[in-house]
Amino acid sequence: GENVEQHPSTLSVQEGDSAVIKCTYSDSASNYFPWYKQELGKRPQLIIDIRSNVGEKKDQRIAVTLNKTAKHFSLHITETQPEDSAVYFCAASTPPGGSNYKLTFGKGTLLTVNP
Amino acid sequence: DAGVTQSPTHLIKTRGQQVTLRCSPKSGHDTVSWYQQALGQGPQFIFQYYEEEERQRGNFPDRFSGHQFPNYSSELNVNALLLGDSALYLCASSQDNKNYGYTFGSGTRLTVV
Repeated sequence: GENVEQHPSTLSVQEGDSAVIKCTYSDSASNYFPWYKQELGKRPQLIIDIRSNVGEKKDQRIAVTLNKTAKHFSLHITETQPEDSAVYFCAASTPPGGSNYKLTFGKGTLLTVNP
Repeated sequence: DAGVTQSPTHLIKTRGQQVTLRCSPKSGHDTVSWYQQALGQGPQFIFQYYEEEERQRGNFPDRFSGHQFPNYSSELNVNALLLGDSALYLCASSQDNKNYGYTFGSGTRLTVV
């Protein structure tokens, strides 16, 4: 089955700096890669996703890159703000809506943005 | 439009007991998946229900079982509870054959003592 590795496990940055979180996956059949933000005691919230037909996707201060050959994808947050502090999870799957759709998550990265 | 609703929000059980968790999917969604999130870990896939049947299952023992009702709501049952079953249980709904991802519920925090 799929295996997703995520690094680093903790990341501390100063407000305004950039943060980068990296993930690798093992199953070449995976082609859907979402990123979730989870605040303490809350549900995971989808912040951005990328599918294998593109190499990069951007939404305001958040961007995700995908290298299918190397089987890795990364989350980039620019101009970090204290409200970005949370646990971030990457995940991999076959496409949503299919009978095999299920997410395999990384172990998470605790991002702390210091004012 | 209500999102995914889970009940109860918190639960404390004793080892060996049985528990039932409930989930109502987002309106328009017909597929329900359950995840277990242990403290400090990423969610792990338990199983998925579609058309009232278990369609996929993760690496969880038979003590974990489920059900989906005609209105698409779902239950997760865990028998013979172990201390290691303490976790946040997340329900995620989606629509079959639609190319967008899950909507997660807020979860049920289960503590086994």
